[in-house]
Amino acid sequence: AQKVTQAQTEISVVEKEDVTLDCVYETRDTTYYLFWYKQPPSGELVFLIRRNSFDEQNEISGRYSWNFQKSTSSFNFTITASQVVDSAVYFCALSALAGAQKLVFGQGTRLTINP
Amino acid sequence: EPEVTQTPSHQVTQMGQEVILRCVPISNHLYFYWYRQILGQKVEFLVSFYNNEISEKSEIFDDQFSVERPDGSNFTLKIRSTKLEDSAMYFCASSGASGVTDTQYFGPGTRLTVL
Repeated sequence: AQKVTQAQTEISVVEKEDVTLDCVYETRDTTYYLFWYKQPPSGELVFLIRRNSFDEQNEISGRYSWNFQKSTSSFNFTITASQVVDSAVYFCALSALAGAQKLVFGQGTRLTINP
Repeated sequence: EPEVTQTPSHQVTQMGQEVILRCVPISNHLYFYWYRQILGQKVEFLVSFYNNEISEKSEIFDDQFSVERPDGSNFTLKIRSTKLEDSAMYFCASSGASGVTDTQYFGPGTRLTVL
């Protein structure tokens, strides 16, 4: 069975601080994808990134970076120099490469950036 | 940029009534999904659909639920006899021709309130 754990329920930081959102996953599959989605107050789910299990290179996109470590089954997300617009709920998700590719989501981390 | 659309944005219904939630996936996508999110909780997979049939469904997707692709553009979720616990945000998603190797893109959601 697949499982995603986001242990941080809520995080609150002051603008311009760096913040890291943790994601730990469990799967018996040898090949899989990991995702991060953002859910702003308006409610939609916005795709941020997808990584496959073969590629452990870290990725940076502007102020966002992701650290994938297969050895610890973690896929952490860091926002550098946070801004108020980053306030949202962030979900980590996992899918197998076989079958219907259903996404298994974590509980989400509510991030609040205070001015 | 192509996007998934959903109607209505908010549906209020009485317990026991039938509701149909509508989605228009991205036009060249072939895999379609429904997820739900009970307020404040994580996003849960309901069903996946490909080639005019269900690929996988979760335990939540019981006989009260059905999906249909009535024409070349719409993808619908029907709940036959709504219960109070069906109150949630329902998200439609679609992914491209590569299926399991493609990212799922989500619509803005339909908030269903059952009274």
